[in-house]
Amino acid sequence: GESVGLHLPTLSVQEGDNSIINCAYSNSASDYFIWYKQESGKGPQFIIDIRSNMDKRQGQRVTVLLNKTVKHLSLQIAATQPGDSAVYFCAENWWSGGTSYGKLTFGQGTILTVHP
Amino acid sequence: DAGVIQSPRHEVTEMGQEVTLRCKPISGHDYLFWYRQTMMRGLELLIYFNNNVPIDDSGMPEDRFSAKMPNASFSTLKIQPSEPRDSAVYFCASRRDTQETQYFGPGTRLLVL
Repeated sequence: GESVGLHLPTLSVQEGDNSIINCAYSNSASDYFIWYKQESGKGPQFIIDIRSNMDKRQGQRVTVLLNKTVKHLSLQIAATQPGDSAVYFCAENWWSGGTSYGKLTFGQGTILTVHP
Repeated sequence: DAGVIQSPRHEVTEMGQEVTLRCKPISGHDYLFWYRQTMMRGLELLIYFNNNVPIDDSGMPEDRFSAKMPNASFSTLKIQPSEPRDSAVYFCASRRDTQETQYFGPGTRLLVL
């Protein structure tokens, strides 16, 4: 029978375009968020993080925006390059009952494909 | 600095065999995490340790899975007996006590026939 797996969102862009990858998180008490990039055959690699007391944080060619009102996180990549092609994961630091569990909860990921 | 080191990188075994995956965290990191990644379920946390002590093993699928951390620089994830549905990529990650950022190893790709 047909296998059922995760249907990851996909984003295809042309080289040089800006990319925006979105993520909805679940826990309103989460106070720390992080974006990872995973290339084929490799482990997730840290890109950028942000704390809940910030709305925006910029890195090299990347910007993370946090909207706590709607529990939404986005990653913007400027001048996207073929080397940016990967799966991108957002993750939140999980809190419950006033206690941080010390672990991250990961989203399902978004596949970014950059065409030359 | 060396990152998280995992071995083996690839493992092919037959159903019923014991499988042991190994991880060396980044030196000075107090937390160690074991994850499993599959197409069906994505990235799942199996268990994590703080200062070599297991803190949360609620993600361990069943009793066939066990994990140990005998010292600050070594951890194992064991599957006994292995089953085809255990086929996945297993990642180890570590972080310092003072930061939330986890650093991942390259993973072990396990195939159980």
